[in-house]
Amino acid sequence: RKEVEQDPGPFNVPEGATVAFNCTYSNSASQSFFWYRQDCRKEPKLLMSVYSSGNEDGRFTAQLNRASQYISLLIRDSKLSDSATYLCVVKSNTGKLIFGQGTTLQVKP
Amino acid sequence: EADIYQTPRYLVIGTGKKITLECSQTMGHDKMYWYQQDPGMELHLIHYSYGVNSTEKGDLSSESTVSRIRTEHFPLTLESARPSHTSQYLCASSSPGDYNEQFFGPGTRLTVL
Repeated sequence: RKEVEQDPGPFNVPEGATVAFNCTYSNSASQSFFWYRQDCRKEPKLLMSVYSSGNEDGRFTAQLNRASQYISLLIRDSKLSDSATYLCVVKSNTGKLIFGQGTTLQVKP
Repeated sequence: EADIYQTPRYLVIGTGKKITLECSQTMGHDKMYWYQQDPGMELHLIHYSYGVNSTEKGDLSSESTVSRIRTEHFPLTLESARPSHTSQYLCASSSPGDYNEQFFGPGTRLTVL
């Protein structure tokens, strides 16, 4: 079983749609959590950190459920420019980042 | 934009050649990392360093080696390249802290024929 699991998709949605991605992690001692964005053939870039109380950044909302070892990302009012792969990332208790395979989003006009 | 650089961006080379992938950062970060990523797959940590003269192997076994003689420089070397080494290699750096961002370089896409 992978340490960080995501549905690879692709998720094909129309512009303006709301889309949610989920991620589960296996190590209950994991310390911190992130969503990174990776465009095709580019390097990953931090989208947002995920805090225990949940956090929002514009159209993006991230939530963490430590009891269920589950992380989510909600994107409202999808734009064409949101098309990318979204990586769920967990920092282990050893300080290393563990990456999920990523969920691919395609926003269509 | 992150100040982390990798060269070359693309490399096509024959089996048995020795190669060095360069990575440098100007952010003064102590922590540096090398990841390997195949198309459509997750990143796997192959090496990391928490400072000068400190290097450790990551979670994915790799035949490559690294060195950290200067804070800003973290090169990766393959003594004898093979087709199984074909992949994308991403370098990253970060400052200490649970929520500090890892900044990635643009990657080196290596093809071994």
